[in-house]
Amino acid sequence: DQQVKQNSPSLSVQEGRISILNCDYTNSMFDYFLWYKKYPAEGPTFLISISSIKDKNEDGRFTVFLNKSAKHLSLHIVPSQPGDSAVYFCGGGGSNYKLTFGKGTLLTVNP
Amino acid sequence: NAGVTQTPKFRILKIGQSMTLQCAQDMNHNYMYWYRQDPGMGLKLIYYSVGAGITDKGEVPNGYNVSRSTTEDFPLRLELAAPSQTSVYFCASRRTSGGPPLFGPGTRLTVL
Repeated sequence: DQQVKQNSPSLSVQEGRISILNCDYTNSMFDYFLWYKKYPAEGPTFLISISSIKDKNEDGRFTVFLNKSAKHLSLHIVPSQPGDSAVYFCGGGGSNYKLTFGKGTLLTVNP
Repeated sequence: NAGVTQTPKFRILKIGQSMTLQCAQDMNHNYMYWYRQDPGMGLKLIYYSVGAGITDKGEVPNGYNVSRSTTEDFPLRLELAAPSQTSVYFCASRRTSGGPPLFGPGTRLTVL
C-alpha cells in the first residue's frame, strides 16, 4: 500500500518559470510533511516542511501548499533555476516517528 | 559536527555473503532510520530506532537486522545477501524534539 504517491515521474520546465511538484497521501494520521531534494550520488537533503495545522509554508523560492481535505500537497519553486534540477521526494509522518516517502519526481530545469 | 556518516561508500557482495553497513551520527539524535532506494521506487524504510536499545521494523525489513547499542551508531546487517538487495542504502537521524531527518551520503551495494 503506497501511502505517499508522486504520480509524475518527471517534470521539465524552463529557467525562470514556476515548477509545481505534486504529492498525494492516503494516511490520515500523517501530521507533518517534508520535501527533500536529491542529486545523483548524494544523500537526500531537506528542503521544506509543513505541519498539518498549516496550509502553506514558504522559504525563499520554495513554497509548500497542503490541502488536507484532498490529502494533497504541492511544492512550488519560483523562479526555477538550472541548479534546481534534481529528484524531489515527498514524505509524510505521524506520531510513530516513521517517515514514508513517495517514488520521487525528476525535475529538469532547462536554461 | 560530521553529521551522518556511512561506510563503506561502495561494496560488491557475492550471493550468500554477509556484511554490515555502518551508520554513525554525532548530533546526539535519538531517532535513526535505514532506507533503501531502488531505481524508480523511491525511499523504502527498512528499520528505525527511537533510542538506544529500541528498534522497529519499517516497510521492507526482510533480509536485514539492526541493533542500537549506543545513541551514535545504528548498523544494518545483511546475513545472506541476495540480488534483490542490490540498492543504495541511506541512513538518517533526527532530534527527539522534531525537525527533519538528516541523511547520510549513502552506501551503494551490489549483490552478484
